[in-house]
Amino acid sequence: AQRVTQPEKLLSVFKGAPVELKCNYSYSGSPELFWYVQYSRQRLQLLLRHISRESIKGFTADLNKGETSFHLKKPFAQEEDSAMYYCASNNYGQNFVFGPGTRLSVLP
Amino acid sequence: EAGVAQSPRYKIIEKRQSVAFWCNPISGHATLYWYQQILGQGPKLLIQFQNNGVVDDSQLPKDRFSAERLKGVDSTLKIQPAKLEDSAVYLCASSLGGRIEQFFGPGTRLTVL
Repeated sequence: AQRVTQPEKLLSVFKGAPVELKCNYSYSGSPELFWYVQYSRQRLQLLLRHISRESIKGFTADLNKGETSFHLKKPFAQEEDSAMYYCASNNYGQNFVFGPGTRLSVLP
Repeated sequence: EAGVAQSPRYKIIEKRQSVAFWCNPISGHATLYWYQQILGQGPKLLIQFQNNGVVDDSQLPKDRFSAERLKGVDSTLKIQPAKLEDSAVYLCASSLGGRIEQFFGPGTRLTVL
């Protein structure tokens, strides 16, 4: 069965520091990978998807099929980036799978 | 546009009781999902509808959980009878189709005592 792992439950960085949230997936094929974010007291919402190859709020993520990873990166973290981040994947014939999430805390 | 609506927002019941959750997706969205999110975990897909047909219910505990999407619009998720381990947030999401952006509702927080 497909699986998504996010090794860090909590990641704390200082404002202005680079941030990388790790995500690995467990299967081959051509999965579609997503990052969803949940800010405090808000709904879960899409941050970005690998197929669109765009930068949202300064975040980027590159799909590395060799390492089966889809890490989320931002060069300079802002306090408003503090949130829960979930990596998710969807493969043809499989159901949609979310990782356990990483809580990002950006300190002033 | 109006977002995904869910009700109730909170529900507290005793074990062995029944409970139902309602979801109204974004107008025009053919795909509807129900997720269970246990505290400290990511959302787990319970069931996915495409219009009023079930696409995937492989992780739905069918001995106690049921869901329907009559007329391909609103959906209800029912638990009968509830167990302590059903305590979770139940999220509904919708999308125009599969494998694209899902829009989530606010969730229903269920506590089973």
